[in-house]
Amino acid sequence: AQTVTQSQPEMSVQEAETVTLSCTYDTSENNYYLFWYKQPPSRQMILVIRQEAYKQQNATENRFSVNFQKAAKSFSLKISDSQLGDTAMYFCAGGSQGNLIFGKGTKLSVKP
Amino acid sequence: SAVISQKPSRDICQRGTSLTIQCQVDSQVTMMFWYRQQPGQSLTLIATANQGSEATYESGFVIDKFPISRPNLTFSTLTVSNMSPEDSSIYLCSGDRSTDTQYFGPGTRLTVL
Repeated sequence: AQTVTQSQPEMSVQEAETVTLSCTYDTSENNYYLFWYKQPPSRQMILVIRQEAYKQQNATENRFSVNFQKAAKSFSLKISDSQLGDTAMYFCAGGSQGNLIFGKGTKLSVKP
Repeated sequence: SAVISQKPSRDICQRGTSLTIQCQVDSQVTMMFWYRQQPGQSLTLIATANQGSEATYESGFVIDKFPISRPNLTFSTLTVSNMSPEDSSIYLCSGDRSTDTQYFGPGTRLTVL
């Protein structure tokens, strides 16, 4: 991706509820990958979920799922049954052949 | 997923000095990368570390300031040279196992006084 945009600098959600983080991107590539990474205060970048652009089926990983709209160049992350440990910065990223572009991040706070 | 370690985890340095950060991957990766994350910002790619040859630098980053080595498939170093307070950042390495998926090390938090 040449650009990745996250329009929500901060979000909050009550524990056990569902939250959706938005991401849009722009690319001229035909084959590319999209990712969501989580960065807790420990600063470790943790891969949350991965989507191949050629796959129409939305990726899911346990409580995490994406809504991939290729024509709209949209790649949102849904977190179900939010847990306190989900509190972190979430970065959307896209690219191919190792050339990853990151969005500016969304700070998610899960409240008890 | 690959397990990636970095040393040191943090350091405080004086301006004008240099710091070398080490990155070790537990399995063979095809590509290794170095990123900078300035305070409160997102990640910016510094360079791709190439085994046995010069690294490929992104626009705005030069070899004299950020020399990188990768003597084998599982080890790389990044040196931050002639440091200034503007170099205070988190530096992260990542590895890619031909799946176009990058796994990150824990990062090195650098403070330059």
